Amino acid sequence: GAVVSQHPSWVICKSGTSVKIECRSLDFQATTMFWYRQFPKQSLMLMATSNEGSKATYEQGVEKDKFLINHASLTLSTLTVTSAHPEDSSFYICSARGAGANVLTFGAGSRLTVL
Amino acid sequence: LAKTTQPISMDSYEGQEVNITCSHNNIATNDYITWYQQFPSQGPRFIIQGYKTKVTNEVASLFIPADRKSSTLSLPRVSLSDTAVYYCLVGDSSGGYNKLIFGAGTRLAVHP
Repeated sequence: GAVVSQHPSWVICKSGTSVKIECRSLDFQATTMFWYRQFPKQSLMLMATSNEGSKATYEQGVEKDKFLINHASLTLSTLTVTSAHPEDSSFYICSARGAGANVLTFGAGSRLTVL
Repeated sequence: LAKTTQPISMDSYEGQEVNITCSHNNIATNDYITWYQQFPSQGPRFIIQGYKTKVTNEVASLFIPADRKSSTLSLPRVSLSDTAVYYCLVGDSSGGYNKLIFGAGTRLAVHP
C-alpha cells in the first residue's frame, strides 16, 4: 500500500532557529501533499496544500513567510518553520494523494518542541 | 466547505459492536466519505471509504443512506486496541484541490 514517510519524527530546537520537516511518498508519486498541525487533544488543522512544481496554497490565518512549503518533486514536500517560537510547538503531519486517488495517506507526524 | 458532525466521545466494552454516526448535510455530488483512525502521537490511518450504500472491508463496515447526508462507521467486536479518535471526512473540492478538512472526531474508549 501507499506509504508516506516523515522526517524527523521529533525535533527540539531553540527559539529563533528554523526547522525543516520532510515528507516523502515512498511508493507512489504524489501530485498533491497537505500539511496539517495538531495541538494536544485537538483535531488536525489544515495549514496548506502543496502541489508539485507550483506555489503552495495556504489556509486562512496561516503565515506564508512563517511556514515555508516546497514541493520540488513528485515524491518530496518540505515544511520549514522559520524563526520558530514556543507557540509553534506542535505535532505536524503531512499527507499525500497520488494522481487520481481519493484516499489520503498520512505520515507518522513530526513533533516540534521549541524551547 | 463540506462540514461533518460527530459525537465527541463514545464508550464501549470489549467484544461489543460500535457504531459511530457522522452527519454531512452539505456533501457534494462528487465527494467520497472517508473514515480515519488516529492513535496519540501518530498520523491518521485509513479505515474505510465509500460513496453510497454499504462498504465492508476486513476491519469495518460503512453504511451510507441514499441521501448521503450521513454515514455510519461500524466496528464489529471492538478490543482495547480500538481505543482511538475516529474522524469522518468528506472530500472538499473548494479551490480545486480536493482537500480534506477534519472535524472534531469521536474519541472512542473501549473498556475491559
